Amino acid sequence: GENVEQHPSTLSVQEGDSAVIKCTYSDSASNYFPWYKQELGKRPQLIIDIRSNVGEKKDQRIAVTLNKTAKHFSLHITETQPEDSAVYFCAASIFYVGGADGLTFGKGTHLIIQP
Amino acid sequence: DTGVSQDPRHKITKRGQNVTFRCDPISEHNRLYWYRQTLGQGPEFLTYFQNEAQLEKSRLLSDRFSAERPKGSFSTLEIQRTEQGDSAMYLCASSLTPTGGETQYFGPGTRLLVL
Repeated sequence: GENVEQHPSTLSVQEGDSAVIKCTYSDSASNYFPWYKQELGKRPQLIIDIRSNVGEKKDQRIAVTLNKTAKHFSLHITETQPEDSAVYFCAASIFYVGGADGLTFGKGTHLIIQP
Repeated sequence: DTGVSQDPRHKITKRGQNVTFRCDPISEHNRLYWYRQTLGQGPEFLTYFQNEAQLEKSRLLSDRFSAERPKGSFSTLEIQRTEQGDSAMYLCASSLTPTGGETQYFGPGTRLLVL
């Protein structure tokens, strides 16, 4: 089955700096890669996702890049703000015409924004 | 609130007892997923439904676990003869395929503690 590795487990950055979280996956059939943000005691919320037919996707301060050959993808957050502090999870899945299979998640990155 | 809802939000039980959780997906969402999340880890996929059909089950879903979605709307997850290792947050997610794409929207979870 799919295996997703995520690094680092904890990331501390100064407010205003950029943060990068990296993930690798094992199953070359995976073609859908979402990123979720989970604040303490709350549900995971999708922040951005990418399909394997594109190499990069951006949404304001957040971007995701995908390297299919190397089987890794990364989350980039620029101009970090205190409200970005949370646990971030990457995930991988196979998406068919009819929908996606269950997601395989990484172990998460605790992002701490230092004021 | 028109999001995914789960009931109960918290459950404390004694080892050996049976427990049942309920998930109500976003209205009209045809796919429903169950995940389990332990402290400090990412969610782990358990099973998912397309309408009332259970399409995939993870090997994590032992014989003590059973899930149903009899009318293609809400779903229940039952754990029989609970063990301390079942203590976790049980998350439900739903999606609308194919028109809604692959985005899975998560509920707030049911936190289970087995004593």
